Amino acid sequence: DGGITQSPKYLFRKEGQNVTLSCEQNLNHDAMYWYRQDPGQGLRLIYYSQIVNDFQKGDIAEGYSVSREKKESFPLTVTSAQKNPTAFYLCASSIPGQGHYEQYFGPGTRLTVT
Amino acid sequence: KQEVTQIPAALSVPEGENLVLNCSFTDSAIYNLQWFRQDPGKGLTSLLLIQSSQREQTSGRLNASLDKSSGRSTLYIAASQPGDSATYLCAVSSGTYKYIFGTGTRLKVLA
Repeated sequence: DGGITQSPKYLFRKEGQNVTLSCEQNLNHDAMYWYRQDPGQGLRLIYYSQIVNDFQKGDIAEGYSVSREKKESFPLTVTSAQKNPTAFYLCASSIPGQGHYEQYFGPGTRLTVT
Repeated sequence: KQEVTQIPAALSVPEGENLVLNCSFTDSAIYNLQWFRQDPGKGLTSLLLIQSSQREQTSGRLNASLDKSSGRSTLYIAASQPGDSATYLCAVSSGTYKYIFGTGTRLKVLA
């Protein structure tokens, strides 16, 4: 089965700790994305990567970091510098090219920081 | 700056009713528009993708239309069922890798 997996489904951390969220895809997509979803708000783009070893900041990148060492994997680290890290995090992927690409999403990770 | 609006924020309808969900965007220079479904606590499931050169797309009981000049898209759901209850989101891409999402319409279909 092709798709996107995110782990874990629920994550709990103490304030001040860094935490890494996993995202893996076997769709052979070049582009991958991280979004954050808060109640009553639309999805907001954190980081995206068009190709291995390259990534770009989205609209709300402060307090987050990513790496893209493999095509299949795009982990997101939520650092202690992120002021409001509690949220639902969604990873997506797509085939790049001329804007006519469809985004596919993983099941999400709900992060709670106390 | 592209902004995407979905109205209403919530909708309740009896089973069997045909319904229309609305999505408006401020910049008509889009490459495509995608409609998604999201169940509580889950990821997004792609329903329909409309390219800028298309006027509509259909999948089963779903039909999405696009009017770029007026900055509007509608998602038509025929013969609604309780299983259609979910949040529906639209997102537009203006030719970069970035999608701009609306805040969604929360639909409840009553049995």
